[in-house]
Order: sequence, then C-alpha cells, then structure tokens
Amino acid sequence: GQQLNQSPQSMFIQEGEDVSMNCTSSSIFNTWLWYKQDPGEGPVLLIALYKAGELTSNGRLTAQFGITRKDSFLNISASIPSDVGIYFCAGQRTGANNLFFGTGTRLTVIP
Amino acid sequence: KAGVTQTPRYLIKTRGQQVTLSCSPISGHRSVSWYQQTPGQGLQFLFEYFSETQRNKGNFPGRFSGRQFSNSRSEMNVSTLELGDSALYLCASSLPGAGTGELFFGEGSRLTVL
Repeated sequence: GQQLNQSPQSMFIQEGEDVSMNCTSSSIFNTWLWYKQDPGEGPVLLIALYKAGELTSNGRLTAQFGITRKDSFLNISASIPSDVGIYFCAGQRTGANNLFFGTGTRLTVIP
Repeated sequence: KAGVTQTPRYLIKTRGQQVTLSCSPISGHRSVSWYQQTPGQGLQFLFEYFSETQRNKGNFPGRFSGRQFSNSRSEMNVSTLELGDSALYLCASSLPGAGTGELFFGEGSRLTVL
C-alpha cells in the first residue's frame, strides 16, 4: 500500500535541543496527523491538522500542514528525555477514516 | 474517559491455527479500525467497521476478517496463521464521521506465530 516517506529515519540529540522531522507523500491528503509510539504501546495522537498551511501547537510541539497538501512537518522544542520514541505522520483523505502512515522517525534524547 | 482496550495483549500461536482479537472502543466512538504493525511493512490498515458494517478494507487476504457488535465492540480473526502474520495488531476508535481525522489507538495485541 501507499507509504509516506518520513525523514530522518532516526535522530540522536542532546537534551534541550530542538528537533525537526518531516513527512512527504506523492498524493494529496486532507488531514495530517502526528503520532508518538513508545515501545510496547499503541500510537498516541499528538497533533491533528485539517487545513493546508495550518500551523498548530501542542505544548512544545508544533506541526504544519504543507501548502501542497503533500507534506507536513513536526518540530519539538527544548527536547526532554521523555520525548524518546518513534514519531509517525499519517495522512487521511476526505470521506474515509483509514490512515496512511509514514515510515517513522526514531528519536533518542541523550541526557 | 477510558481508552481503547484490546485483549489479549500477548499471544503465541502455531502455523495453521486461527486467532481472535478483541477491541472495546472509547465510549461514544462508533467507528473501529484495525491496523497491522510489522518492522518490515510498518503500520498498515486492515479494515474499518461502523454500525456493525465493514465500511472500508485494506489490502489483506481473506484470512483476515472482522466484525463489530451492536455495542461497537469489535473482533478480528485471522485464520490459517502464517509466520508472516506475527505482528502487533492495533485497534483504533473514532467518532462516527468518516474522514474526521482523529483516531485513538489501543495498546495492541502482539501475536507471535511459531
């Protein structure tokens, strides 16, 4: 099935640094979502974006819905150890609930 | 508000057997979706149920099936298990409208096929 390309695949950063990751698709989505998954757990919704160009924040997290509707990015400011995990982007089309997931970005925060 | 509950959390089966996984959605959520997560293929959509009817289906063989009950609880079944079916099976629930975006996931059922 269709897969969204996420980059980078993995990141190792120092605590306190900012993080940026992005997601691109060959097709258009009407909703972009960002999830975080901890080992042995299900993905947890971080941010949902519904409009092209939209910039939305959730605490230290900021995400944007690309103007072309084919991409999105996620920024995490002032990273802390509990930010460790795998971050997934997901796209959704109008009229359907199923999500197309990105390949994931594994984040490691070094204290 | 209780989250999405999946049972069992872990199970081990052998090739050829069948398995049934259960999912209780968030109260008030009537749409239930199932996803398979593997290291090689990532997160892939299996199917979605709403009002006891399959509303959408991913690209999986007929050995994968599901159903939804009148209380919105859902089950998925995999028959004639293969080694490649080893995966984390995730259930997600959402409000009724299609394309409304926010899906909430359970912790998953980790299936190992030997």
